[in-house]
Amino acid sequence: NAGVTQTPKFRVLKTGQSMTLLCAQDMNHEYMYWYRQDPGMGLRLIHYSVGEGTTAKGEVPDGYNVSRLKKQNFLLGLESAAPSQTSVYFCASSYLAGGRGTGELFFGEGSRLTVL
Amino acid sequence: KQEVTQIPAALSVPEGENLVLNCSFTDSAIYNLQWFRQDPGKGLTSLLLIQSSQREQTSGRLNASLDKSSGRSTLYIAASQPGDSATYLCAVRKGGTDSWGKLQFGSGTQVVVTP
Repeated sequence: NAGVTQTPKFRVLKTGQSMTLLCAQDMNHEYMYWYRQDPGMGLRLIHYSVGEGTTAKGEVPDGYNVSRLKKQNFLLGLESAAPSQTSVYFCASSYLAGGRGTGELFFGEGSRLTVL
Repeated sequence: KQEVTQIPAALSVPEGENLVLNCSFTDSAIYNLQWFRQDPGKGLTSLLLIQSSQREQTSGRLNASLDKSSGRSTLYIAASQPGDSATYLCAVRKGGTDSWGKLQFGSGTQVVVTP
């Protein structure tokens, strides 16, 4: 039972480089989310998606783009990485709250990104 | 804006003692509240979820209570063990369909259980 899987788990980038983080879930969840976690700042929502083909901005969306072409996958892209984007990134998913589920969140193991 | 606070930021207890972790929130119009555990270098693991209509939820040695009117939730861990050492976070989901993407997290309480 894989749950939520993130790749890659570690990555080092130089300033200005681009990359994509992939999140895959096998629980048939409608909702998917990308968070970043930084010391002293806690968990902050970057972008989220309420279904295939739809995305929305969270609390800190600048410098990131996302896509949800398939229900099970949610991609987070950095077009031009900056040192301020050094962080641990977490993907999460949930059923639609109030419908088939409670909105309980399930997290991946995280992707640690360093931008030099 | 919903503010979620967890005090204390760190806690150390001897093995066998009961743990009491606090979570406060400023807006009582919540849909549910979720408690997580995070081990160093790992993701968040869901422990308990309490719906706004519930007063408490239990799983094994864990019990979480919710008092919406006072904006508080408490996580109790009975008979703590060294394996309970981790950071515990609470997260509040606001009511209303336009807010379902937006959980507000507390900054967590780091717990150390000493043998």
